[in-house]
Amino acid sequence: EPEVTQTPSHQVTQMGQEVILRCVPISNHLYFYWYRQILGQKVEFLVSFYNNEISEKSEIFDDQFSVERPDGSNFTLKIRSTKLEDSAMYFCASSGTRGDTQYFGPGTRLTVL
Amino acid sequence: AQTVTQSQPEMSVQEAETVTLSCTYDTSENNYYLFWYKQPPSRQMILVIRQEAYKQQNATENRFSVNFQKAAKSFSLKISDSQLGDTAMYFCAFMSQSPGAQKLVFGQGTRLTINP
Repeated sequence: EPEVTQTPSHQVTQMGQEVILRCVPISNHLYFYWYRQILGQKVEFLVSFYNNEISEKSEIFDDQFSVERPDGSNFTLKIRSTKLEDSAMYFCASSGTRGDTQYFGPGTRLTVL
Repeated sequence: AQTVTQSQPEMSVQEAETVTLSCTYDTSENNYYLFWYKQPPSRQMILVIRQEAYKQQNATENRFSVNFQKAAKSFSLKISDSQLGDTAMYFCAFMSQSPGAQKLVFGQGTRLTINP
């Protein structure tokens, strides 16, 4: 069964460093998403991406964040200058059409020291 | 803005029992989707069940069923014949059908423990 994959599973970085989190969505899906979950809290929407552009973003998704689909398979989330409060689990998701069920990857645990 | 509320932070039942998790939401829209996702200790988000608001019939997936009360804005999940593998965090989520709106809005979650 097709699934969303994410790498790395765990990333440790120093405050102020740039990180790139990678996702491979399900191959025939057209809509891509990033969510984050701070430990012990609910899952929060960051951004949605369709047709090579951002279609919706939350207040969390400020200028420090960017997304890119550099090729036909990968979907990346970049945090330019990490802060302690960026420590969280980051989930990538994809869906075939708008309104379709979103399927989640296993997540990347980001720890900012 | 839509909000989703899960009023039960934790629940615990014995194996084989039936358990119901509560979820309420707030929206002014008429067309939307509702979901229950499961997050086991591995922390992966797994879809349990989905409901379209325009459908009056409650969704069912094997041992999982929902009680969707649109007027009351309530969307509870019933797990029948609970199994140890059902132990997980359960999140209720809302998604609008409005053009351009694609995000899932999650509740705070209910931690469910199935005891042997």
